[in-house]
Amino acid sequence: AQKVTQAQTEISVVEKEDVTLDCVYETRDTTYYLFWYKQPPSGELVFLIRRNSFDEQNEISGRYSWNFQKSTSSFNFTITASQVVDSAVYFCALSEGSGNTPLVFGKGTRLSVIA
Amino acid sequence: GAVVSQHPSRVICKSGTSVKIECRSLDFQATTMFWYRQFPKQSLMLMATSNEGSKATYEQGVEKDKFLINHASLTLSTLTVTSAHPEDSSFYICSARGARLSYEQYFGPGTRLTVT
Repeated sequence: AQKVTQAQTEISVVEKEDVTLDCVYETRDTTYYLFWYKQPPSGELVFLIRRNSFDEQNEISGRYSWNFQKSTSSFNFTITASQVVDSAVYFCALSEGSGNTPLVFGKGTRLSVIA
Repeated sequence: GAVVSQHPSRVICKSGTSVKIECRSLDFQATTMFWYRQFPKQSLMLMATSNEGSKATYEQGVEKDKFLINHASLTLSTLTVTSAHPEDSSFYICSARGARLSYEQYFGPGTRLTVT
């Protein structure tokens, strides 16, 4: 069965600090997709990244970077030089198969960035 | 492109009444729509999968007679919470998938339901 674990429930950092959000997943499929979403207080999910299981290259997008390690079944997310606007709940999610199955979400990590 | 809307964004209703939530794909045809529920400070949990023109598939523990799902067209799915109770108060989010969009899923902005 598929499962996503975000062990960090809440993280608090001071502005400009770097912060890494952990995500560990379980799946029996060899083909799957991993996602990160940001959920600000408004509730709307903001898509951040989608990565398929065959692409282990790390990705950087501005202050965001992702480290995908199949050997440890992890897909960690790092925010560099955090800002107050980064404060939100971040969800890691998994979709088995070719990406057309529903997403299984982790419990989320609440990030608070303090000025 | 690939925009999904939900209506209403917020609704307050009295216990015992029914509430309908609409999920629309605005610029693509959604062959499949998923309905998720998120209780306060919790994660999103899948409620049901809705395919256009067929009956919805419900997850274990979700009452199909209480949460009626209709996916009558390729751009609209509705979730009706019947005889709502305070414990149904939650954030309901839909996502839509279109065959022409590489099977990517797009989430709506969510509907916050409060039952008094």
